[in-house]
Amino acid sequence: DQQVKQNSPSLSVQEGRISILNCDYTNSMFDYFLWYKKYPAEGPTFLISISSIKDKNEDGRFTVFLNKSAKHLSLHIVPSQPGDSAVYFCAASARGTGNQFYFGTGTSLTVIP
Amino acid sequence: DTGVSQNPRHKITKRGQNVTFRCDPISEHNRLYWYRQTLGQGPEFLTYFQNEAQLEKSRLLSDRFSAERPKGSFSTLEIQRTEQGDSAMYLCASSLGQHGEAFFGQGTRLTVV
Repeated sequence: DQQVKQNSPSLSVQEGRISILNCDYTNSMFDYFLWYKKYPAEGPTFLISISSIKDKNEDGRFTVFLNKSAKHLSLHIVPSQPGDSAVYFCAASARGTGNQFYFGTGTSLTVIP
Repeated sequence: DTGVSQNPRHKITKRGQNVTFRCDPISEHNRLYWYRQTLGQGPEFLTYFQNEAQLEKSRLLSDRFSAERPKGSFSTLEIQRTEQGDSAMYLCASSLGQHGEAFFGQGTRLTVV
């Protein structure tokens, strides 16, 4: 039962343009969402998070948007850089009930120079 | 380096053997998680500790798997009688309290031959 879904396995974007990575979730109890970036043979690296009390959180080139009614979140990277090429995972947790993180299957982003 | 440390980075074992992995979390973090990741999937939750107490275990954690965190610091994950299906990346993460993002180690790649 996949509670967090990333329906695009891959995405290619030109350097300097915007990358938009999408994530959908099914569990309405989720109240904390995170994005991780992963290079091959390494563990995931935390990028940015958002609490369900917000609809937007920004950190430099990275912005996460949360649409609770649609159970959808997205990560925007502007401008995209070749070093952003990696697999991006969306994760969610219900902090009042155990706090385990549920991950999507990832989107592989390629930024073309 | 004060990040999450996992040892060994790679482990090749014969089917039926026992293996043990170690995780040293970020020192002030009281929560420690074990995840497993297979190719093309996101990390899947196995278990988590708050201090030395193991508070939640996934259905994925069969009775061949056992995890400990004896003094609320480092943790070990043991797999007994390994099977080829146990081949995966085993990831450890730690967080501070209920509201903190999880920081991952670089993982232990297990190959069962």
